[in-house]
Amino acid sequence: NAGVTQTPKFRILKIGQSMTLQCTQDMNHNYMYWYRQDPGMGLKLIYYSVGAGITDKGEVPNGYNVSRSTTEDFPLRLELAAPSQTSVYFCASSYDGVGQPQHFGDGTRLSIL
Amino acid sequence: GENVGLHLPTLSVQEGDNSIINCAYSNSASDYFIWYKQESGKGPQFIIDIRSNMDKRQGQRVTVLLNKTVKHLSLQIAATQPGDSAVYFCAESWGANNLFFGTGTRLTVIP
Repeated sequence: NAGVTQTPKFRILKIGQSMTLQCTQDMNHNYMYWYRQDPGMGLKLIYYSVGAGITDKGEVPNGYNVSRSTTEDFPLRLELAAPSQTSVYFCASSYDGVGQPQHFGDGTRLSIL
Repeated sequence: GENVGLHLPTLSVQEGDNSIINCAYSNSASDYFIWYKQESGKGPQFIIDIRSNMDKRQGQRVTVLLNKTVKHLSLQIAATQPGDSAVYFCAESWGANNLFFGTGTRLTVIP
């Protein structure tokens, strides 16, 4: 079982560029999440999805977009990269959203220069 | 969201000793708590969870204690090993579809 897989592992973007962070899970989990982790800080929720076709904003959604066309995939899109989006991004999934542990990928380290 | 804070940002222990990592939470409505371990360059790894109808739960070498009266959560690691060196996060949930994470405690095990 691969669990939660994120690609790429590292990326450097110029200000104003766009990119998509990929996330896929093979555990047939209904819920998927995107977090960002700034240096020395905990994780903050960007967006989450309770199932294919359904997404909702988290604590820090500005500057990001998501889609959930399949159960397995939950890509995160940055449209106009800004230095404030330099961070490590983690994708997670859980079978059910309430009272269930989330399983995390190994992250994408993104730098905006 | 509510803040989940930690009393100590760093903790150093001798190999073989027991470790105790503390966490204070502010939302009295929180009903589910998780401890995660994060090693350098990796994503958070689930360690143990506890629901608000319990005050103690044990796993392999780990115990989580929940004191709802003072809104305090702790993670005890028995016979700490070098492989336990990592950042530990507590997270809380109160029926929402997400978790709120604290800032983490770095545990360093001294051989």
